[in-house]
Amino acid sequence: ELKVEQNPLFLSMQEGKNYTIYCNYSTTSDRLYWYRQDPGKSLESLFVLLSNGAVKQEGRLMASLDTKARLSTLHITAAVHDLSATYFCAGRSGNTGKLIFGQGTTLQVKP
Amino acid sequence: EAGVAQSPRYKIIEKRQSVAFWCNPISGHATLYWYQQILGQGPKLLIQFQNNGVVDDSQLPKDRFSAERLKGVDSTLKIQPAKLEDSAVYLCASSLGTANTGELFFGEGSRLTVL
Repeated sequence: ELKVEQNPLFLSMQEGKNYTIYCNYSTTSDRLYWYRQDPGKSLESLFVLLSNGAVKQEGRLMASLDTKARLSTLHITAAVHDLSATYFCAGRSGNTGKLIFGQGTTLQVKP
Repeated sequence: EAGVAQSPRYKIIEKRQSVAFWCNPISGHATLYWYQQILGQGPKLLIQFQNNGVVDDSQLPKDRFSAERLKGVDSTLKIQPAKLEDSAVYLCASSLGTANTGELFFGEGSRLTVL
């Protein structure tokens, strides 16, 4: 079955810095999803990547997908405190459409 | 557009007691999911419904967990009897279906504490 692994699991960074979160998955997944979760809150959809080479950007976040390498990245540009949250990637498994989530990456942006 | 509604938001019970959670998906969404999220982990699928039929319940502990989706709209998830390890947030999500982007929309979750 599809397995999804993220790294790092925890990331502490200074405001203004850039960093990348990596999401590897074990078997074919035709699409990849990124979600954000604030403490005590539910999951908010950030990006849906539907094909190889897909790149999407929203504000300081940019996500990309390489299906051949089974890798997606979430790049953070010039981090600000408001981006502090836990970020999950998820791959779609099989024909049922169920999403398999990674462990999450907790991002802490310090002033 | 109203989002996914869940209740109750919080529930504290003792082990061996029972509990039920309710979910109302986004109007028109045929697919409904229940996920379990243990603290510090990613959500894990418990059960998936397509309309009122079960698509995937392979990870549902059927000796204690049950779920139904009557009339293909609302759904309930029941745990009986609860164990300490069932302490988690139970997230309900819905989607238009696999033919679309497959994006899931999540509710606020029901946080269960088993003492």
